Amino acid sequence: QTVVTQEPSFSVSPGGTVTLTCGLNSGSVSTTYYPNWYQQTPGQAPRTLIYNTNTRSSGVPDRFSGSILGNKAALTITGAQADDESDYYCALYLHSGIWVFGGGTKLTVL
Amino acid sequence: EVQLVESGGGLVKPGGSLRLSCAASGFTVTNAWMSWIRQAPGKGLEWVGRIKSRGDDGTTEYAAAVKGRFTISRDDTKNTLFLQMNSLETEDTAVYYCTTVGNPAYFHLWGRGTLVTVSS
Repeated sequence: QTVVTQEPSFSVSPGGTVTLTCGLNSGSVSTTYYPNWYQQTPGQAPRTLIYNTNTRSSGVPDRFSGSILGNKAALTITGAQADDESDYYCALYLHSGIWVFGGGTKLTVL
Repeated sequence: EVQLVESGGGLVKPGGSLRLSCAASGFTVTNAWMSWIRQAPGKGLEWVGRIKSRGDDGTTEYAAAVKGRFTISRDDTKNTLFLQMNSLETEDTAVYYCTTVGNPAYFHLWGRGTLVTVSS
């Protein structure tokens, strides 16, 4: 069974930089998994941040960036703001034609 | 305005059935890849299934947890996507979101979700 791994929680200071990661229990994440990232605040639908590894969705500030770091996909927030405090989910598109989400990272800005 | 609006959620007993709808506006569901994603209370996102556009053969694919119980379909005349859920289990309790699938392979436009509660 394919499991996508994310840090359960992370903390960053206002103005700081944080990198969240998205890994695979069965190997390395590459661009062929088309990693994408979503932001969700309580009670709201998710918002698309990044797709195809590093393409920002329309309206997403450029302080959010995506990449591959080592064997994982990564979401970096540069200059974190208070309203970046959210849950962040990655999703990978498997070669079998299905998607798997990571368990999500709860980001605290303090 | 481009948007998705889900409906049809509610309380159903284990073993029961429910059909969710997702009304689209601003685009044609026939020409879009669409997906359903769910989120159990206090839990993370879980992909449920997808349907390809009619031009890309219109086939469906499902997560293992729902395969054989859930069916995605669409009504082109109503510009609406459906999720037929049979043999419901308590573990199916979740908010169900309808999304478009962007190219390549991401969830582009999201609805606000509809809550399904499976309980006796």
